[in-house]
Amino acid sequence: DVKVTQSSRYLVKRTGEKVFLECVQDMDHENMFWYRQDPGLGLRLIYFSYDVKMKEKGDIPEGYSVSREKKERFSLILESASTNQTSMYLCASSRQVSYNEQFFGPGTRLTVL
Amino acid sequence: QKEVEQDPGPLSVPEGAIVSLNCTYSNSAFQYFMWYRQYSRKGPELLMYTYSSGNKEDGRFTAQVDKSSKYISLFIRDSQPSDSATYLCPHRGSYIPTFGRGTSLIVHP
Repeated sequence: DVKVTQSSRYLVKRTGEKVFLECVQDMDHENMFWYRQDPGLGLRLIYFSYDVKMKEKGDIPEGYSVSREKKERFSLILESASTNQTSMYLCASSRQVSYNEQFFGPGTRLTVL
Repeated sequence: QKEVEQDPGPLSVPEGAIVSLNCTYSNSAFQYFMWYRQYSRKGPELLMYTYSSGNKEDGRFTAQVDKSSKYISLFIRDSQPSDSATYLCPHRGSYIPTFGRGTSLIVHP
C-alpha cells in the first residue's frame, strides 16, 4: 500500500518560531510537493521538488523554504511563523511521467498563535 | 487568469440523485484530466482520470471531457451519503498540477 506520511496531524506554534514540517514517501517517487489549503482558496502550491536537492517555487513561496536531502523526504520550513500561516499543509508525491497521479499525505493542521 | 474554475458549492442533493460536477479550464494544451476526492480531514485521493476527449466510466462515476469547450464533468449516479466530500479537478497539461477550490458535495439520506 503506497504511503505518504506527515510528521504531525496537529501543530500549535507561536509567532516567530521556526517550524519544520516533515513528509516521507515510500514509493520511490521523484516528485514531491507542498501545498496549503485554506477555505475558499483551495489547494495552493508552495514548493515542489523533482529530484534530491532540487526545488522550484510554486505559487506562494513567500515565508517558506524547503529541503530535500533524501529522495523519500521533503521538509517544509517556516523560518519565522506568522498568524497568516495558520493553515492545513498537505504533502504529495508523484512519479515523473506524463500521467503522474499524486499521492497525498493526511495533512498537518498548523495553528500559529 | 486562473487556469481552473470550479463552482465551490456546497451542492446538496438527496440520496439516489444524479450529481453533475463541472470544471472549466483555459489552457488548450492540457491533455490529462483527473478528478480527486477529498473527505473531511483527509488528503485528496485520485478518483478518476481521462486522457484527451471523451467519456470514461467506473461504476457509478463517469468522467467526461469536452475539449472544444474546455469543459470537464464528473457524473455520479445513485449518489450515496458516502459520496459527501470535496471534488477537485486538477489540470495535468502542465508538469505542475494546478488545483481549483473544489466543489463540496453533500448527499443527505
